[in-house]
Amino acid sequence: DVKVTQSSRYLVKRTGEKVFLECVQDMDHENMFWYRQDPGLGLRLIYFSYDVKMKEKGDIPEGYSVSREKKERFSLILESASTNQTSMYLCATSPTNYGYTFGSGTRLTVV
Amino acid sequence: GDSVTQMEGPVTLSEEAFLTINCTYTATGYPSLFWYVQYPGEGLQLLLKATKADDKGSNKGFEATYRKETTSFHLEKGSVQVSDSAVYFCALSDSGNRLAFGKGNQVVVIP
Repeated sequence: DVKVTQSSRYLVKRTGEKVFLECVQDMDHENMFWYRQDPGLGLRLIYFSYDVKMKEKGDIPEGYSVSREKKERFSLILESASTNQTSMYLCATSPTNYGYTFGSGTRLTVV
Repeated sequence: GDSVTQMEGPVTLSEEAFLTINCTYTATGYPSLFWYVQYPGEGLQLLLKATKADDKGSNKGFEATYRKETTSFHLEKGSVQVSDSAVYFCALSDSGNRLAFGKGNQVVVIP
């Protein structure tokens, strides 16, 4: 089974901090995704990547950036955290048009 | 663009009751369709999928049939258990690798 590991389950950061959320997969999947999940809004795509060093904006990229230096690792960066970025962040991976495997999520609180 | 619509509001039902969660979609091509489940405090897990019209996906007693004529993929289970309490997401994947998700339905099963 594919494993998708997110580095932290819970994180508390201060407004203005630079925040790194890490996601690592143990298979050779090309596609990786970052979503945020909020009550009443469902899942919204922030960024995705089809290959190393490639990235594409999703539906809500503002205030975020990403890094994919190695195939197995996809990092989400909050350049200057704000309280409206308090959310559950979910990483997912996919080999093809097959459906995603998700990590357990990181619940980020910005105070 | 492609989109998924799920019925509004949480679903509360008694153990052993019949569960239906409605899902309709809008897509220009011939998408694959998925149901994901999210248990409390966890990421999303693939529950079942269907890749072409009239396909039936099934898993853990849940079923959904890909209906092209009604653009629907409704989730059903004949006899729910308390352990089925979770949030259920319908999703579609077009010719690319992105998934479009519905907003999810909270299902609460009462003993």
